[in-house]
Amino acid sequence: GDSVTQMEGPVTLSEEAFLTINCTYTATGYPSLFWYVQYPGEGLQLLLKATKADDKGSNKGFEATYRKETTSFHLEKGSVQVSDSAVYFCALRNNQGGKLIFGQGTELSVKP
Amino acid sequence: GAVVSQHPSWVICKSGTSVKIECRSLDFQATTMFWYRQFPKQSLMLMATSNEGSKATYEQGVEKDKFLINHASLTLSTLTVTSAHPEDSSFYICSAGTSGVSYEQYFGPGTRLTVT
Repeated sequence: GDSVTQMEGPVTLSEEAFLTINCTYTATGYPSLFWYVQYPGEGLQLLLKATKADDKGSNKGFEATYRKETTSFHLEKGSVQVSDSAVYFCALRNNQGGKLIFGQGTELSVKP
Repeated sequence: GAVVSQHPSWVICKSGTSVKIECRSLDFQATTMFWYRQFPKQSLMLMATSNEGSKATYEQGVEKDKFLINHASLTLSTLTVTSAHPEDSSFYICSAGTSGVSYEQYFGPGTRLTVT
């Protein structure tokens, strides 16, 4: 079945460092891909998404490119801030209106 | 963006009692709502999908008689944990799907349930 695999955390970075969180997926068809962020004690917020191959999603300095050939959707940010500390979830959805399938989440901790 | 609320945000109950959690889409109509469970430092586990006016579809391994889901209107879904036990303690998150061409899912802030 469909699945999402993320790099294990926690990831600890210094402020202004470059961030990459790897995400790969297995899916039939052509899924939409998402990154969600969860701050402590809160629900999930959509960070960015891409709906077809080679699309780049971007928001708040974060970017991810839908790579069909490598079945990947890696999250990147050029310069992280302490306020970016959170858990990041990669997810896919195969059908409009269908359920989201989440990766295991990657905890990011940014130190000043 | 669209807003989804959950109530209560946290609840403590005694073992054997039932607890109801509400999920509301505040500024849009949600034909489909999803209920997730999240254990500490783990991913979200989909429990069930509910469509307004019909029975919920439960994921494999989720007890439908224990986790009762009602989606009575286009803006409200409820999850009732019946005869709660300490192992039901968890963070429960709902999400609501918009309708139309530009489909999106929006998540509620979650409800922390502690069963003593």
